[in-house]
Amino acid sequence: DTGVSQNPRHKITKRGQNVTFRCDPISEHNRLYWYRQTLGQGPEFLTYFQNEAQLEKSRLLSDRFSAERPKGSFSTLEIQRTEQGDSAMYLCASSLNDQPQHFGDGTRLSIL
Amino acid sequence: AQSVTQPDIHITVSEGASLELRCNYSYGATPYLFWYVQSPGQGLQLLLKYFSGDTLVQGIKGFEAEFKRSQSSFNLRKPSVHWSDAAEYFCAVVVNTGFQKLVFGTGTRLLVSP
Repeated sequence: DTGVSQNPRHKITKRGQNVTFRCDPISEHNRLYWYRQTLGQGPEFLTYFQNEAQLEKSRLLSDRFSAERPKGSFSTLEIQRTEQGDSAMYLCASSLNDQPQHFGDGTRLSIL
Repeated sequence: AQSVTQPDIHITVSEGASLELRCNYSYGATPYLFWYVQSPGQGLQLLLKYFSGDTLVQGIKGFEAEFKRSQSSFNLRKPSVHWSDAAEYFCAVVVNTGFQKLVFGTGTRLLVSP
């Protein structure tokens, strides 16, 4: 059973640099979600894809953030000009229609 | 606005003792409710879900939860805790805005003492 895969698991970067994360969902899942989790908090919704279409973006997703899901398979989340406040765990989840979401192990981002 | 409250930040339970983790939600319609568990450095694993029907739902690893509409609660229970249950537990409600957006509580960290 291949679950949701996220790479890298950890990313350390200097403030002002750009970073990109990748998420490979469960193969038959048509929906893909990104969440952000800061220390001591529950995950917060960032954005949602139905196949290749990005259908909703949270207000948390500033214009420095961009997400894509070309061809409706894997997804990438890019953060430009990183700031200290971007330090968090970035979680990806996927689902088949309205079935429960399955989460990956996340990418932990640390900004120096 | 829809929200989930987990009033207990930390709970310590002796191994073999029973467990109840509290969750209260605020949502106008009939909620879809979930409990997820997260081990350190890991993603979230689904323990159980409530969509409709029987208000007592069974999940994996011996967990169960009971939906009580009158109390707006969905508490998680386990009759006998194992050391491997030590983790962070999150309650979540689906906000159905055309897709299933999850709104999570802040989590309860479970510590298991020998």
